Amino acid sequence: GENVEQHPSTLSVQEGDSAVIKCTYSDSASNYFPWYKQELGKRPQLIIDIRSNVGEKKDQRIAVTLNKTAKHFSLHITETQPEDSAVYFCAASRSGDTNAGKSTFGDGTTLTVKP
Amino acid sequence: EAGVAQSPRYKIIEKRQSVAFWCNPISGHATLYWYQQILGQGPKLLIQFQNNGVVDDSQLPKDRFSAERLKGVDSTLKIQPAKLEDSAVYLCASSFPSLARWRDEQFFGPGTRLTVL
Repeated sequence: GENVEQHPSTLSVQEGDSAVIKCTYSDSASNYFPWYKQELGKRPQLIIDIRSNVGEKKDQRIAVTLNKTAKHFSLHITETQPEDSAVYFCAASRSGDTNAGKSTFGDGTTLTVKP
Repeated sequence: EAGVAQSPRYKIIEKRQSVAFWCNPISGHATLYWYQQILGQGPKLLIQFQNNGVVDDSQLPKDRFSAERLKGVDSTLKIQPAKLEDSAVYLCASSFPSLARWRDEQFFGPGTRLTVL
């Protein structure tokens, strides 16, 4: 089955700095890579996703890059703000076949943005 | 639109007791997932339904866990008997059929926090 590793497990940055979280996956058939943000005591919410036919995707201060050859993808947050503090999870899944939607999650990165 | 609903939000039981969790997905979402999230870890998929059929239950401890989605809408996850290591947050999520590939996003419910004493 799929195995997803996420690094680092904790990340502390100053407000305004950039934050980068990296994930690797093992199943070359995985083609959908979402990132979820989970604030303390709340449900995970999708913040950005990328498909295997795209190398990079950006949404305001958040970007995700994908290297299919190396089987890794990264989340980049620029100009961090205190409200970005949360646990971030990456996931890998296949879409469009009978295993569609089955996501394997990383163990999360706790991001702390210091004012 | 209304989100994924789960109940109860919190449950405390003694080991060897039974417990059941309920989930109501977003209307029209055919795919429903149950995840177990142990403190400090990412969600781990327990079971995935497509309408009322099971797509994947390879990580469901079938000797004690069971789940059903009889009419393809609501779902129930049961643990019988519970063990200490079952203490976790149980998350339900739903998504639109992923044959529409641009709709793979999973929407999560608030979760049920289970404590087994």
